[in-house]
Amino acid sequence: EVQLVESGGGLVQPGGSLRLSCVASGFTLSGYEMNWVRQAPGKGLEWVAYIGGSGTNIYYADSVKGRFTISRDNAASTLYLQMNSLRAEDTALYYCARGRWRAHDYWGQGTLVTVSS
Amino acid sequence: SYDLTQPPSVSVSPGQTVTITCSGDKLGDRYVSWYQQKPGQAPVLVIYHDTKRPSGIPERISGSSSGNTATLAISGTEAMDEADYYCQAWDSNTEVFGTGTKVTVL
Repeated sequence: EVQLVESGGGLVQPGGSLRLSCVASGFTLSGYEMNWVRQAPGKGLEWVAYIGGSGTNIYYADSVKGRFTISRDNAASTLYLQMNSLRAEDTALYYCARGRWRAHDYWGQGTLVTVSS
Repeated sequence: SYDLTQPPSVSVSPGQTVTITCSGDKLGDRYVSWYQQKPGQAPVLVIYHDTKRPSGIPERISGSSSGNTATLAISGTEAMDEADYYCQAWDSNTEVFGTGTKVTVL
């Protein structure tokens, strides 16, 4: 059974940093593209970042470019999102999602990030 | 930036067909996916590559795409179909989600 479990969210002050993790099980992580997608409270879905299976290709949404870094450790079956210079507008539930068919076929349950003083 | 526009809400009576549109420039030239999200839950992929259903998605959910519009249709609507629905496509190396549509089953 495919599972994605996110962790690392929490309350952080503006300008602070957090590192999110997503542990994958039930499939070989190296064989799949992975993404982070976020959802602000009561709002829609927003794509954040993409990483190819080998980690060579990486893309970001303009809203996080230069502040967030996506990475992966295929041996540990783990996806990461390093978030720096956090802003109030980064407050959201962050999902990791497996990429397939130019879509996301499996999603985690999300980890909540709250940026507030 | 590339935008995908959906109606904020649609309503449907049980057993009827509901359609949700997703509009974007030359959307028919891109692969469109659709997601269903119920309150407090993660999104679920219901359509990919414009028209394909993942395993476990009922046949009464279908998709189409042409020109600047993609459409998700749910026939024989049931109470369990009440949810938010989002379209999604890629524009070069950027992924875009639609604005989302809340489907209410009256």
